[in-house]
Amino acid sequence: DIQMTQSPSTLSASVGDRVTITCRASQSIGMWLAWYQQKPGKAPKLLIYKESSLQSGVPSRFSGSGSGTEFTLTISSLQPDDFATYYCQHYNNFPYTFGQGTKLEIK
Amino acid sequence: EVQLVESGGGLVQPGGSLRLSCAVSGFDFRSYWMTWVRQAPGKGLEWVANIREDGSEIKYVDSVKGRFTISRDNAKNSLYLLMNSLRAEDTALYYCARDRYTSNYGGFDFWGQGTLVTVSS
Repeated sequence: DIQMTQSPSTLSASVGDRVTITCRASQSIGMWLAWYQQKPGKAPKLLIYKESSLQSGVPSRFSGSGSGTEFTLTISSLQPDDFATYYCQHYNNFPYTFGQGTKLEIK
Repeated sequence: EVQLVESGGGLVQPGGSLRLSCAVSGFDFRSYWMTWVRQAPGKGLEWVANIREDGSEIKYVDSVKGRFTISRDNAKNSLYLLMNSLRAEDTALYYCARDRYTSNYGGFDFWGQGTLVTVSS
């Protein structure tokens, strides 16, 4: 099974900051990576698919990059609504696996 | 408007069974793979099972193989998860979601609100 490792586990930042979350796969997954945002008590929300494609309705301050085994999610200018937990997920093959999550907190 | 509504969760004793349902509306259900994802209290997301558009292909995470059965009824726009031999570690909020597996996109783009399964004596 492919293991997905996110870093950092927790990130403290301020409104207006540029932040980057990293996701590493234990083997190559090509471009088959998605990023999700989850707020407390809510279902996850798809932000990015196929490594760098922005899901419809998601603000353009979110972007994804990378390929193969290393990927990043960048938020160009943090907004108050962005404080949440973020997960990466590969869908290169089964079983799909998620990263352990990165909690983005207000500094 | 796309809607996925899970039901069937509850408290069950270890070794017991439960059947979850997911009622779908707002899109052509029979044209999409569907998935179950779970989240233990205070923990991360875990993919559980997937089913092809016509039910002809099914995948499970190893920890539920032989105990859980995913199925669908395209005439009723419904997805199911039959869970047998439940264990304490199956306690979680169970989400159903639409999987864009066979598109050029991928990812789970629509999710339900989840149904809570608690396995405890």
